[in-house]
Amino acid sequence: AIQLTQSPSSLSASVGDRVTITCRASQGISSALAWYQQKPGKAPKLLIYDASSLESGVPSRFSGSGSGTDFTLTISSLQPEDFATYYCQQFNSYPAITFGQGTRLEIK
Amino acid sequence: QVQLVESGGGVVQPGRSLRLSCAASGFTFSSYGMHWVRQAPGKGLEWVAVISYDGSNKYYADSVKGRFTISRDNSKNTLYLQMNSLRAEDTAVYYCAKTHDYGDTAGAFDIWGQGTMVTVSS
Repeated sequence: AIQLTQSPSSLSASVGDRVTITCRASQGISSALAWYQQKPGKAPKLLIYDASSLESGVPSRFSGSGSGTDFTLTISSLQPEDFATYYCQQFNSYPAITFGQGTRLEIK
Repeated sequence: QVQLVESGGGVVQPGRSLRLSCAASGFTFSSYGMHWVRQAPGKGLEWVAVISYDGSNKYYADSVKGRFTISRDNSKNTLYLQMNSLRAEDTAVYYCAKTHDYGDTAGAFDIWGQGTMVTVSS
């Protein structure tokens, strides 16, 4: 199964900061990657699909890039509502869909 | 309003069974692949199972294969997960999720339910 490794596992940042989260796949997955945001007690929310496409309704401060094995999620200017846990997900090896272990973004 | 609402969770003893339901509304349910994803307390997300838009194709994570069965009733806009031979390690919040693209099953999940908690304990 394809493994996804996110880094860092946790991150402290301030409102207004630019933040980048990395997701590395154990083998190439083309652009079959999505990013989700999850707040405590809530379901995940889709932010980015196909590695770099912004989901409808998601603020433009979120962006995704990468292909193959290395991917990034960037938040250009952190807002208070962005403090959450972020997950990457690959579906290139469908049906063996896998998620990264998550990155917890906390307020500094 | 596009919505998924899960139900059927609860506390169950090891070895027993439980059936989860996921009621869909606000979109053409019969045109989309659907998934179950679970999250153990304090842990990350784990994909569980997928079913194609017409129910003809079903796949499972190795951790549940042979014990769980995914199904759907397009006339009722409802997705199901039959869970048999439950184990303590199946304890989790179970989410149903819709595949992003029409007719597809391999893709991002754009709509999620609120989740239903399943606790397996004696």
